[in-house]
Amino acid sequence: DADVTQTPRNRITKTGKRIMLECSQTKGHDRMYWYRQDPGLGLRLIYYSFDVKDINKGEISDGYSVSRQAQAKFSLSLESAIPNQTALYFCATSDLGNNEQFFGPGTRLTVL
Amino acid sequence: GEDVEQSLFLSVREGDSSVINCTYTDSSSTYLYWYKQEPGAGLQLLTYIFSNMDMKQDQRLTVLLNKKDKHLSLRIADTQTGDSAIYFCADQSPGTYKYIFGTGTRLKVLA
Repeated sequence: DADVTQTPRNRITKTGKRIMLECSQTKGHDRMYWYRQDPGLGLRLIYYSFDVKDINKGEISDGYSVSRQAQAKFSLSLESAIPNQTALYFCATSDLGNNEQFFGPGTRLTVL
Repeated sequence: GEDVEQSLFLSVREGDSSVINCTYTDSSSTYLYWYKQEPGAGLQLLTYIFSNMDMKQDQRLTVLLNKKDKHLSLRIADTQTGDSAIYFCADQSPGTYKYIFGTGTRLKVLA
């Protein structure tokens, strides 16, 4: 079984809709991250959380919100989706004292 | 802000060596990473190097770090078709657990 899972894997939605992307991990890591990947731009950090009560904005948090419901779950919401939020979204985790990040398989989101 | 840059594409013949280059701007970077992304998958850590090292070798992979020029490279010896993927370099500043990723280099291996 995958250690970091994301649902859904693919989603097509319309402008103005509210969307939630979910991430779950079985690695027991405290730290979780949301990135978006755009062609030619690499990965950019949206939000990150170092434990259940800790939420921090990344470099491109506008238009997004997150919720850390439990150590194992970190969800990303788009309150009112717009077409330039069309991208591949990745969740990642890391352990305290270990710099390696472990990535989920990604969610491809298309906003029409 | 800090920046990490890579060329977007590289094409090599099977059996040749591949060299993927990366430049970064953060002179205080402590760790520099190489991640591999295969089609339809997330990123997987390939290797990393501490900023006080010049070189690290791991089987077919050799990482070279030139701190003066802020230049990082990944050499893949005897490149195989299974090495076709996107390769990302990333740096990490001291005291943070955030990465700054490069744009990714798409490696295509020709049979």
